[in-house]
Amino acid sequence: DAKTTQPNSMESNEEEPVHLPCNHSTISGTDYIHWYRQLPSQGPEYVIHGLTSNVNNRMASLAIAEDRKSSTLILHRATLRDAAVYYCILKAAGNKLTFGGGTRVLVKP
Amino acid sequence: DTGVSQDPRHKITKRGQNVTFRCDPISEHNRLYWYRQTLGQGPEFLTYFQNEAQLEKSRLLSDRFSAERPKGSFSTLEIQRTEQGDSAMYLCASSPLAGTVSNEQFFGPGTRLTVL
Repeated sequence: DAKTTQPNSMESNEEEPVHLPCNHSTISGTDYIHWYRQLPSQGPEYVIHGLTSNVNNRMASLAIAEDRKSSTLILHRATLRDAAVYYCILKAAGNKLTFGGGTRVLVKP
Repeated sequence: DTGVSQDPRHKITKRGQNVTFRCDPISEHNRLYWYRQTLGQGPEFLTYFQNEAQLEKSRLLSDRFSAERPKGSFSTLEIQRTEQGDSAMYLCASSPLAGTVSNEQFFGPGTRLTVL
């Protein structure tokens, strides 16, 4: 499975945007970029996914570089409830999710 | 609540005992996955089912681990002769069969196993 690289942690102030980078330089043409997050004491939760174009949903936006070797998850206005570990995952033809270490997001009031 | 449920939520056992966990996926989800998560790490894939067929097993799934999904609905994960290294959160997830790589997986709350 292709690997992703994320910063270990990031801090943000409440109601400010958060930009979470992910590098995936070995991505293949058929890999989708998925983001999941895991709140404390809960199972992971789907956030967003994309292939080539930028994507928006009610939770976040996903900006994908033109060469697809990196992407950025954008939380437009962080709330205290967004404090979680965010995982960037490349999902290929297989069905399993291969999680890395993720980025721990701390939101300060 | 019609999400993925897991039982029990917590299990404490002594080394050498057998344990069994149950996962009830979202109804009509054909795919069911098991993951294991140790403290401070991301979840690691163990195995997955499509209906009752077990289609992939990780090398992490030693011969002490067995998973079943007999009727294509709920699934069980059994660990025989538990070891302290088996202490972890065991997560179950399900997804519909739509057949594309973009399908999201819906996770349960997990079963936390502590082996003394």
